[in-house]
Amino acid sequence: GNSVTQMEGPVTLSEEAFLTINCTYTATGYPSLFWYVQYPGEGLQLLLKATKADDKGSNKGFEATYRKETTSFHLEKGSVQVSDSAVYFCALSDSGNNDMRFGAGTRLTVKP
Amino acid sequence: DTAVSQTPKYLVTQMGNDKSIKCEQNLGHDTMYWYKQDSKKFLKIMFSYNNKELIINETVPNRFSPKSPDKAHLNLHINSLELGDSAVYFCASSQSPTDTGELFFGEGSRLTVL
Repeated sequence: GNSVTQMEGPVTLSEEAFLTINCTYTATGYPSLFWYVQYPGEGLQLLLKATKADDKGSNKGFEATYRKETTSFHLEKGSVQVSDSAVYFCALSDSGNNDMRFGAGTRLTVKP
Repeated sequence: DTAVSQTPKYLVTQMGNDKSIKCEQNLGHDTMYWYKQDSKKFLKIMFSYNNKELIINETVPNRFSPKSPDKAHLNLHINSLELGDSAVYFCASSQSPTDTGELFFGEGSRLTVL
């Protein structure tokens, strides 16, 4: 079945550091890939998505490229801020929102 | 205006009790979901309703019963609460179950069973 594996946290960085959170997937079809972010005390929000191979999703300085050859969708940001502290979830779906599968989440803490 | 709202936000109760969590969305979406997030932040779908009809029921004990009076509401009723039910429950909605667009989440309802 479909599944997502993302790097375990927690990740602690200093402000302005470079961020990478790894995400790899297993899917039988051609899934859409997502990154969701959960700020403290809030629900998940869509951060970015990519629907086909080689697509790059980007938002708020975050980027992720859909790599079919490595079945990966790693999240990157060049310079993190304290306000980026949150839990980040990689997710996939290849047959609609009913089948959305989430990774275990990676907690990011950014220190001033 | 909150797009997906859940109540209550916090719920503390004793084992064996029955409780409900309510969810409403004002986005005009056709599909609503309940997810359970455990203490390690792992998020798992429990139910999915499309236009008031159940379309997904994952391996969830039948103590959990969703009710959808209309497509804007999806409530979760839990009977005979157990310690393992302690978690954060998230309601979500989307335009269509077959679309791979954005899921819109509520803020979560933290249930603590003592």
